[in-house]
Amino acid sequence: GENVEQHPSTLSVQEGDSAVIKCTYSDSASNYFPWYKQELGKGPQLIIDIRSNVGEKKDQRIAVTLNKTAKHFSLHITETQPEDSAVYFCAASKVRFGAGTRLTVKP
Amino acid sequence: GAGVSQSPRYKVAKRGQDVALRCDPISGHVSLFWYQQALGQGPEFLTYFQNEAQLDKSGLPSDRFFAERPEGSVSTLKIQRTQQEDSAVYLCASSLGDREREQYFGPGTRLTVT
Repeated sequence: GENVEQHPSTLSVQEGDSAVIKCTYSDSASNYFPWYKQELGKGPQLIIDIRSNVGEKKDQRIAVTLNKTAKHFSLHITETQPEDSAVYFCAASKVRFGAGTRLTVKP
Repeated sequence: GAGVSQSPRYKVAKRGQDVALRCDPISGHVSLFWYQQALGQGPEFLTYFQNEAQLDKSGLPSDRFFAERPEGSVSTLKIQRTQQEDSAVYLCASSLGDREREQYFGPGTRLTVT
């Protein structure tokens, strides 16, 4: 089955800096790669997604890149703000999630 | 508008008890998913419904876990003879169509087995 690896497990950045989270997957048939943000006591919320026919997608301060050959995809958050602090999950093959990255943005 | 709701939000069960967790998906959403999320981990897929049909139950960890969605809307996840390792947050998500569309998650039910 699909195996999704996510790094780093924790990430601390200064407000205004960029944050990058990386994921790798194993199933070459995977074609949909969402990213979720989960705040304490809440369910994950989709923040951006990318399909396999696109290499990059951007939405304001958030961007995702996909390298299908290498089977990895990354989340980039620019100009980070304290409210970006949360746990971020990548997913592949529809329902397979990474273990999560706890992002802390220090004011 | 109304999102996905789950009840109860918190459940404490003694080992060996049966529990039932409810999910109310967004109205009109065809697909419904159940996940188990252990502390500090990502959601682990349990099962998937399209309308009332349970199309994938490959993630259910044992035959003590059972899910149903008899009328294609509300779903119930039942765990029989709960064990301590069942302690986790159980998340429900729904989506408009097939699995590639956005999933909307509920807040989860935190189950603690003592």
